[in-house]
Order: sequence, then structure tokens, then C-alpha cells
Amino acid sequence: EIVMTQTPLSLSVTPGQPASISCKSSQSLLHSEGKTYLYWYLQKPGQSPQLLFYEVSSRFSGVPDRLSGSGSGTDFTLKISRVEAEDVGVYYCMQGINLPWTFGQGTKVEIK
Amino acid sequence: EVQLVESGGGLVQPGGSLRLSCAASGFTFSNYWMSWVRQAPGKGLEWVANIKEDGSEKYYVDSVKGRFTISRDNAKNSLYLQMNSLRAEDTAMYYCARGQSMFSYWGQGPLVTVSS
Repeated sequence: EIVMTQTPLSLSVTPGQPASISCKSSQSLLHSEGKTYLYWYLQKPGQSPQLLFYEVSSRFSGVPDRLSGSGSGTDFTLKISRVEAEDVGVYYCMQGINLPWTFGQGTKVEIK
Repeated sequence: EVQLVESGGGLVQPGGSLRLSCAASGFTFSNYWMSWVRQAPGKGLEWVANIKEDGSEKYYVDSVKGRFTISRDNAKNSLYLQMNSLRAEDTAMYYCARGQSMFSYWGQGPLVTVSS
């Protein structure tokens, strides 16, 4: 089973400041077909999770361009250029290359 | 508008059974893999199972293999999760999600509580 490790586990950010979350996988997420199966999800307080990025950096519909995904192989990063109140919640990375799909522990983002 | 509406959660004793349903609308259900993802109270997300568009392939996390069965009825635009031999550690919110691994839409999740 692929282990996904996120750091930090919590983040307190001043509005307007940047934030960054790291996600590392125990195996490469690069498929032989050339795609990298790394996803980012956000669970806002009291809500179901929602998809932010697929295949590392492809932004899902409605995701603001203040958020960006990057990385390759086993190292990935989610960045928020200027944190806003609506960004509060728990961010999860997930791998979709080897069953069982596995999530990181989650990173809780709060506003200072 | 894509909607996934789950039902069937509740309180069940250890060793008991429960069947979750997920009614889909707003998209062509038969064109998509579907999945179940769960979240224990105060914990992170755990993928549970998924099923191919035509139901011909099904996959499970090891901890539920032999106890849970995922199925679908494309004529009714519905996804199901039959849960048998339930354990305390199965207590969680169970989310229905569209997709094989790219979970583009999620339901609100019924809470399943396994307790005596």
C-alpha cells in the first residue's frame, strides 16, 4: 500500500499571506501512460470533501487560480498564493495509481 | 446539476448488517465509475470501494473485503453498499462519490454507527 505523508498537519495563516502544503508518496505516482495520479481534495468545515486538483496540477471547475498544484514522482505541493477566509478547512492529497487508493493524513488550514 | 443523495445510515449492533444507497442525478450515471469513501469521526478519509460503469469490476480496501459488497443499478441511477459483519471500527460517515479515483462530486454521507 502506498503511504501518503502530508506536512505540516496544521497551518495558521494571516489573510493575504501565502501557504504551502507538502505531500510525499512512498512510491512514484507516475503511470507508464505518462499521467501522474495525484489528487488534492478540500473538506471545508461541516461539508463533504471537494475536488481541487487532479493529475497533480489540473484545476477542477470553480477552483480559484490562487490555488495551484505542482510536483512529480513522489513529491507534490499545494500552494495558496493569498489565503482567504474561504480557504479554511482540511486539505487531503490522494494517490490513484495503485489500489487501495490512499489519502494523506490531512492538513488543517486556519485563519489567524 | 450533479446530485448524489445517500440514504440508509443509522445505528447497528456489532455483527449486524446495513445497506447504503446513493441516488444519482444530473449526469449519465451509466458512464461513470462510482466509489464509496468513509470518514471515521474526527479522522481522515479512507477509500472503501469502487465499481466500474457496467458493474463488471469491483475493488475493495482490504479491511472490508468479504464483508462489504458494492453494486449498482444503472436503470435506477443508484449505487449501493451492502455492509455485513459490521465492526465498531466501521463507524463512519460514508460518502458516495462519482469517479474511479478522481472524485469529482460527493454526496453528503449517511453516518453509520456500530455500537451495542
